[in-house]
Amino acid sequence: RKEVEQDPGPFNVPEGATVAFNCTYSNSASQSFFWYRQDCRKEPKLLMSVYSSGNEDGRFTAQLNRASQYISLLIRDSKLSDSATYLCVVNKEPGNQFYFGTGTSLTVIP
Amino acid sequence: DTGVSQDPRHKITKRGQNVTFRCDPISEHNRLYWYRQTLGQGPEFLTYFQNEAQLEKSRLLSDRFSAERPKGSFSTLEIQRTEQGDSAMYLCASSLAKDTEAFFGQGTRLTVV
Repeated sequence: RKEVEQDPGPFNVPEGATVAFNCTYSNSASQSFFWYRQDCRKEPKLLMSVYSSGNEDGRFTAQLNRASQYISLLIRDSKLSDSATYLCVVNKEPGNQFYFGTGTSLTVIP
Repeated sequence: DTGVSQDPRHKITKRGQNVTFRCDPISEHNRLYWYRQTLGQGPEFLTYFQNEAQLEKSRLLSDRFSAERPKGSFSTLEIQRTEQGDSAMYLCASSLAKDTEAFFGQGTRLTVV
């Protein structure tokens, strides 16, 4: 079983739509969780950290469910510029390195 | 620019040749990571350092791969006797401390012909 699993998509949504991505992780000892964004042929860039209580940054909301070992990302009022691949990232265990999901591709259509 | 920098950005090499990539992390970051990414996949972990100590190596890292971070600052990744399957983007990242977010360099794209 992969350490981090994501639905690769693609998700094609109209501008203004709300879209949600989920990610599951296998190691219950994991403590750090992030969402990264990667544009085509570019490096991954941090979108947001994911906290136990859930957190919001503008149109983006991240949630963590430790009991079910999944993380979600909600994007409201999608913009064309949101088109990218969204990578779920989980640390192997506290203090150790990070595992990436395969990424979920999002295209926002005018 | 005080971000993570990688050199070279692109490398084309013939099968069987050795290649070496360099990564300069953000200066105060003591953790440095190497990942490999192929098309349509997320980055795959290769190895990481805390200061000059190499703390973990992935099973993906065959004996043809070696990484160093001799003074706890920049790092090099060497691939000996390259194979076509080594063609990928090699990404370096650094973080300030354990469990904090990692910042990536722009990567070195390797093509083995």
